Amino acid sequence: DVVMTQSPLSLSVTLGQPASISCSSSQRLVYSDGDTYLHWFQQRPGQSPRRLIYKVSNRDSGVPDRFSGSGSGTDFTLIISRVEAEDVGVYYCMQGTHWPGTFGQGTKVEIK
Amino acid sequence: QVTLRESGPALVKPTQTLTLTCTFSGFSLTTPGMCVIWIRQPPGKALEWLARIDWDDDRYYNASLQTRLTVSKDTSKNQVVLTMTDMDPADTATYYCARSTSGFREIDYWGQGTLVTVSS
Repeated sequence: DVVMTQSPLSLSVTLGQPASISCSSSQRLVYSDGDTYLHWFQQRPGQSPRRLIYKVSNRDSGVPDRFSGSGSGTDFTLIISRVEAEDVGVYYCMQGTHWPGTFGQGTKVEIK
Repeated sequence: QVTLRESGPALVKPTQTLTLTCTFSGFSLTTPGMCVIWIRQPPGKALEWLARIDWDDDRYYNASLQTRLTVSKDTSKNQVVLTMTDMDPADTATYYCARSTSGFREIDYWGQGTLVTVSS
């Protein structure tokens, strides 16, 4: 299985400051159709995961534009440009290129 | 709109078989490329893929659990059923079903999850 490694595993951020989460994969995530199936999910306390970013850099509908994704190959990044209180939760990267899909360990974001 | 909802027992005993049902709406599992996936999350731990069933009835399982899992669908009821045999306390987790398009590659909607505790 593809191993997804996130860093850091925990992040304490001052309101209004940026946050950056890295995700690296043990195999390249470009699929034969040319797309890279690397997605980012947010899981708020007590809730199910919600997709924020799909295929590296596409924001889902309703996701604030302070969230952005980038990367290629095996290295990817999620950036929150200005953290707000509602951003508290755990963030997961997930690859859907190779079966089974796999998630990173999660990065817990809290407010300092 | 797309919704998914998991249902099943909250408590099972060790060695018993777990049966979970995912009831969905807002899409059809007969649409090419559509897929329903089961994922679980032990308390305080990360997410783990379990199984998937595709629009054409192809089924795939996580290799580490393959001998214990069966997934099936009833398109007339808009339901997907997961069974897991020989339950162990280590299987205590919140179990989610989720929809994916482009085969399994693009999970977009999740159910709210159901917590299953394995204990005697």
